[in-house]
Amino acid sequence: GQSLEQPSEVTAVEGAIVQINCTYQTSGFYGLSWYQQHDGGAPTFLSYNALDGLEETGRFSSFLSRSDSYGYLLLQELQMKDSASYFCAVRDPASGGSYIPTFGRGTSLIVHP
Amino acid sequence: DVKVTQSSRYLVKRTGEKVFLECVQDMDHENMFWYRQDPGLGLRLIYFSYDVKMKEKGDIPEGYSVSREKKERFSLILESASTNQTSMYLCATHPEPGNTIYFGEGSWLTVV
Repeated sequence: GQSLEQPSEVTAVEGAIVQINCTYQTSGFYGLSWYQQHDGGAPTFLSYNALDGLEETGRFSSFLSRSDSYGYLLLQELQMKDSASYFCAVRDPASGGSYIPTFGRGTSLIVHP
Repeated sequence: DVKVTQSSRYLVKRTGEKVFLECVQDMDHENMFWYRQDPGLGLRLIYFSYDVKMKEKGDIPEGYSVSREKKERFSLILESASTNQTSMYLCATHPEPGNTIYFGEGSWLTVV
């Protein structure tokens, strides 16, 4: 099975940079994903890392170190609309050649003016 | 864009009632999932399906069943609703191969 650890809450001010960490324990590794969820909404996909290193998509970047079983999501130039919950996720092989996504408990990011 | 539609956004049901939550996706994805989301507990997998008529238990299947008669539709059934099943339920799909999970808008169920 899989388990993922991430902080429950992070606070920052507008314009700042914030990093949300995720450590995982897996029986097999098939990539680390990040999702954003605003209050009352559905999670939406942000990024995916299969290999070590940094992936950049606009203000958001995601990093992976497979040797450390560790990744992080980096949010730059924070805006109020970035206040949301952020989940890291890994995939676990399942029946029929499919994969089951397993999620961390989520990090609530609060951005202050 | 992938669309995952959950039939009911908000429901209030009585203890002991049978409850159906429907989920339809329009992208011909093989994999479909039902999660429940509770504060501080994240997303927990109830059941998943990787093909029509195929279903597998997730981490918390007790008190739930599912049905997948057509590829695009995956239904979650609460045979006899209880107050501890009050939660937000999320349907999701996942193509194979693929790295992105697509979620529906969620169904908020209150059992009184």
